[in-house]
Amino acid sequence: QVQLQQSGPGLVRPSETLSLTCTVSGGSISNYYWSWIRQPPGKGLEWIGYISYSGTTKYNPSLTSRVTMSLDTSNNQFSLRLRSLTAADTAVYYCARGGAVLAYDYWGQGTLVTVSS
Amino acid sequence: DIQMAQSPSTLSASIGDRVTITCRASQSITSWVAWYQQKPGKAPKLLISRASSLEGGVPSRFSGSGSGTEFTLTITSLQPDDFATYYCQHPWTFGQGTKVEIK
Repeated sequence: QVQLQQSGPGLVRPSETLSLTCTVSGGSISNYYWSWIRQPPGKGLEWIGYISYSGTTKYNPSLTSRVTMSLDTSNNQFSLRLRSLTAADTAVYYCARGGAVLAYDYWGQGTLVTVSS
Repeated sequence: DIQMAQSPSTLSASIGDRVTITCRASQSITSWVAWYQQKPGKAPKLLISRASSLEGGVPSRFSGSGSGTEFTLTITSLQPDDFATYYCQHPWTFGQGTKVEIK
């Protein structure tokens, strides 16, 4: 059974950088699109971007200047870095696996990230 | 960028009702639409991919249809476990969500 386990801080100061990691177990990191999606409290889902098994990235145009995603195939992990945080970045962040049809079939448990001093 | 307009934002229904949620894309996206169910405090659960393909383990009362710019999620005979928020998704964007509440 595929599982995605997220790790990273729950509190980040304004203007700093958020770093989150998602560790994949029970399956290979190959042949999928590894994505990050966030959800502000009480609001809907926002797609942040993906990194493919080959290292190709695609980001939400509204976030592209602040986002970097990376892949560590040797450890079956992928990561998100989001720079220059503001209160508007406060959200639950999810990692997820996308297949060939780019629907997300496995999700991490979610990490509530609060941006506050 | 393609936008997904989902309606209604809230829907009140009773057990046993037939429920339909609609997503309209800002341009043709053939059948690249998925549907998710989300319950409070939980990650979304994939119900349907490619507009109409039911995921394994999802009850057959859920169905999806549509192509081009208009897509629907239908729940026949609403069950207590179905009260949740539903989202449509094109690969790079989500609809605004539909909260299905008890009438």
